[in-house]
Amino acid sequence: TQLLEQSPQFLSIQEGENLTVYCNSSSVFSSLQWYRQEPGEGPVLLVTVVTGGEVKKLKRLTFQFGDARKDSSLHITAAQPGDTGLYLCAAADRGSTLGRLYFGRGTQLTVWP
Amino acid sequence: KAGVTQTPRYLIKTRGQQVTLSCSPISGHRSVSWYQQTPGQGLQFLFEYFSETQRNKGNFPGRFSGRQFSNSRSEMNVSTLELGDSALYLCASSTPRTSGGETQYFGPGTRLLVL
Repeated sequence: TQLLEQSPQFLSIQEGENLTVYCNSSSVFSSLQWYRQEPGEGPVLLVTVVTGGEVKKLKRLTFQFGDARKDSSLHITAAQPGDTGLYLCAAADRGSTLGRLYFGRGTQLTVWP
Repeated sequence: KAGVTQTPRYLIKTRGQQVTLSCSPISGHRSVSWYQQTPGQGLQFLFEYFSETQRNKGNFPGRFSGRQFSNSRSEMNVSTLELGDSALYLCASSTPRTSGGETQYFGPGTRLLVL
């Protein structure tokens, strides 16, 4: 079973539309990260959220960490073709699994011009 | 600061062979983690090294091994390659865990194809 469930798995939208990607779990995490990955490359860190209820903004991207630290969302406003990529959420649990991140399966976003 | 580097970027091997992949972490980072990424399974944790010691290991067979050197550079080895080992192998480095949690920075990966 996957520790982090991401939805939707695929998203295909037109330029200018808004979208939200969800990352859910039944476990509590000490932190949660969002990455974007392009084909043939490694994931690139977008943001780390640490505090329950925390909201972070990165230009048109808004990230929220759930109050209970079990879930997160990524909202993109006015999507652009350059936003196309695989969006991954990842979390470190509150135990002693040092150096280990648990990843969701990812959301493949395609933004058409 | 230079990012995480991985070599080689691409590799083609045949079944039964072995392969060694290399990772150089960000300067000052002492923790190196390895992941396998496949379309079917996503990113799966292989193992993590800190100060030349393996601290954590994922659920992979013993054919997958690794090590870390005193300069924090790390290598992973896969012996007796199988077709299912074809994947993107990612290395990530991080600074020691702080109260805010650990952030990992990934390299570009090594794409391994087993024929």
